[in-house]
Amino acid sequence: GQNIDQPTEMTATEGAIVQINCTYQTSGFNGLFWYQQHAGEAPTFLSYNVLDGLEEKGRFSSFLSRSKGYSYLLLKELQMKDSASYLCAVRDGDYKLSFGAGTTVTVRA
Amino acid sequence: IAGITQAPTSQILAAGRRMTLRCTQDMRHNAMYWYRQDLGLGLRLIHYSNTAGTTGKGEVPDGYSVSRANTDDFPLTLASAVPSQTSVYFCASSEAGGPDTQYFGPGTRLTVL
Repeated sequence: GQNIDQPTEMTATEGAIVQINCTYQTSGFNGLFWYQQHAGEAPTFLSYNVLDGLEEKGRFSSFLSRSKGYSYLLLKELQMKDSASYLCAVRDGDYKLSFGAGTTVTVRA
Repeated sequence: IAGITQAPTSQILAAGRRMTLRCTQDMRHNAMYWYRQDLGLGLRLIHYSNTAGTTGKGEVPDGYSVSRANTDDFPLTLASAVPSQTSVYFCASSEAGGPDTQYFGPGTRLTVL
């Protein structure tokens, strides 16, 4: 089975930086994904890491350490539209995705 | 059609009734998936299909069935709905190979009374 942990909620101020941590224990590992989900909408793909290190994509960056079973999503220059849930998902040895419960980020003016 | 569509958008259903949730994708993706999303539990895989003609069970398959007659369509059937199947259902698809990123449909909100 899979065990994926991420904080339930985070609050930050517009223009600030927020880091969402994700720890996982899986049977096999074939990549880690981050998705963004606005309330009432579908998850949308943000980033993918399969090797250790940092992947940067505009204001969003994602980091992976396979030996530690750890990832984080970094959101920079926060905007009000970044208020959403952020889902950490791990692909296991059978190429199936397991999702964490999600972290709800609230951006305050 | 662009991407993945799901129907209906929402449905209220009496317990014991049969219901089919529809999912269609036009991206020619080989793999398709059904998830349910419940508050505090995240997305859980119900069934999946790696290619047309094949299906497999996910984490929570009981009470659900699927079929994959062609590449584009992947319907999910609740044979006899129960209140615990009240949830938001998402269909997803991915192209095998590479990162194999899954792309999600807009979801169906199902309430079983």
